[in-house]
Amino acid sequence: DGGITQSPKYLFRKEGQNVTLSCEQNLNHDAMYWYRQDPGQGLRLIYYSQIVNDFQKGDIAEGYSVSREKKESFPLTVTSAQKNPTAFYLCASSITGVNYGYTFGSGTRLTVV
Amino acid sequence: SQQGEEDPQALSIQEGENATMNCSYKTSINNLQWYRQNSGRGLVHLILIRSNEREKHSGRLRVTLDTSKKSSSLLITASRAADTASYFCATDIVGGAQKLVFGQGTRLTINP
Repeated sequence: DGGITQSPKYLFRKEGQNVTLSCEQNLNHDAMYWYRQDPGQGLRLIYYSQIVNDFQKGDIAEGYSVSREKKESFPLTVTSAQKNPTAFYLCASSITGVNYGYTFGSGTRLTVV
Repeated sequence: SQQGEEDPQALSIQEGENATMNCSYKTSINNLQWYRQNSGRGLVHLILIRSNEREKHSGRLRVTLDTSKKSSSLLITASRAADTASYFCATDIVGGAQKLVFGQGTRLTINP
């Protein structure tokens, strides 16, 4: 079955640590996205990529980094520069072009301990 | 840049009743989409309505779009307990490079 897999489901980070969230899709989608969701809130865009080896900052990119070395993979690193990283992180993918919806992964819940 | 505002923030109804959620936005769009999120899970795409469409149906879902008022509504008919979830509208803004901008969501509770 095609879909998006995010791992791990839960992640705990100590102060000053970098952590990497995995996102893999087998839908052959060109575009991939990372969103952050805080409790009771909507989604805010962190980074997006519309083609391999290219990515763009979203609205809240500070303290995060990404790579897009393969079409299937779009990992997100939460760096120590992100002062308030505790949140629910969602990865999505879509066909490039107008009028296509997103397919979302099941999310990673990151907690600072 | 949250351009979508949803109303109400929370809605509680009895099973079998209809549920209506509204979404307003600020700038010109290519399309508007509705998603459902069950607690602690990812979002699921429900329906997409293009800027040149006024109404769209999918099963028990009915979506309307009024571009002159920059607003949309999602109607769920004959609600079921399984419809309990948060519902988000998302806009694909003209010139926005296909990045969806999400609203704050409506939390819908269906009481048995």
